[in-house]
Amino acid sequence: DTEVTQTPKHLVMGMTNKKSLKCEQHMGHRAMYWYKQKAKKPPELMFVYSYEKLSINESVPSRFSPECPNSSLLNLHLHALQPEDSALYLCASSQRPPYWGRGTDTQYFGPGTRLTVL
Amino acid sequence: EDQVTQSPEALRLQEGESSSLNCSYTVSGLRGLFWYRQDPGKGPEFLFTLYSAGEEKEKERLKATLTKKESFLHITAPKPEDSATYLCAVQQETSGSRLTFGEGTQLTVNP
Repeated sequence: DTEVTQTPKHLVMGMTNKKSLKCEQHMGHRAMYWYKQKAKKPPELMFVYSYEKLSINESVPSRFSPECPNSSLLNLHLHALQPEDSALYLCASSQRPPYWGRGTDTQYFGPGTRLTVL
Repeated sequence: EDQVTQSPEALRLQEGESSSLNCSYTVSGLRGLFWYRQDPGKGPEFLFTLYSAGEEKEKERLKATLTKKESFLHITAPKPEDSATYLCAVQQETSGSRLTFGEGTQLTVNP
């Protein structure tokens, strides 16, 4: 089973709202990722968690706040977003943490959360 | 800097008309090359991982091949349900799990 689940599927929020996106995997993967994807563009990496610790932050604005409560769960807390933050937010997981060593590491993506900021 | 270029940007095929998608890459030390399929508004679905030049992998009507400079995704006798955007991504030896994606090829298969 290579399933990554994300909730909610759709989210509409105002610029003053606070909301959270949730991601879950039960494959025993030790790395989890947040990506942002705009229409007709490839996914852009935002954050990487390795063994529940933040290992990569791609200079993402502080209005996005990631959290990894345990090895199966990943959250993305949203606050004071801008309309240009509207996008498809994707979660992914992979078996090994980054910089594990030789051998490749396949990322499995969830279905995404379609976020609209008004 | 790692670069991935996919061509064509868009491809229209008739059902049963076989073709190939191209992914050219420039990376210092390839750890792996990945193909994903993405339907509109959904997350990328993993198709293949290729590790070294000469490797080939197949799944139903899809076959992926890898050389030292490019990868091809061959689609044999496509069906309308094969319509999607196909994404190619590379993983470099020293960049951990970070993926560098191409811009994708949007495939439409008409009945």
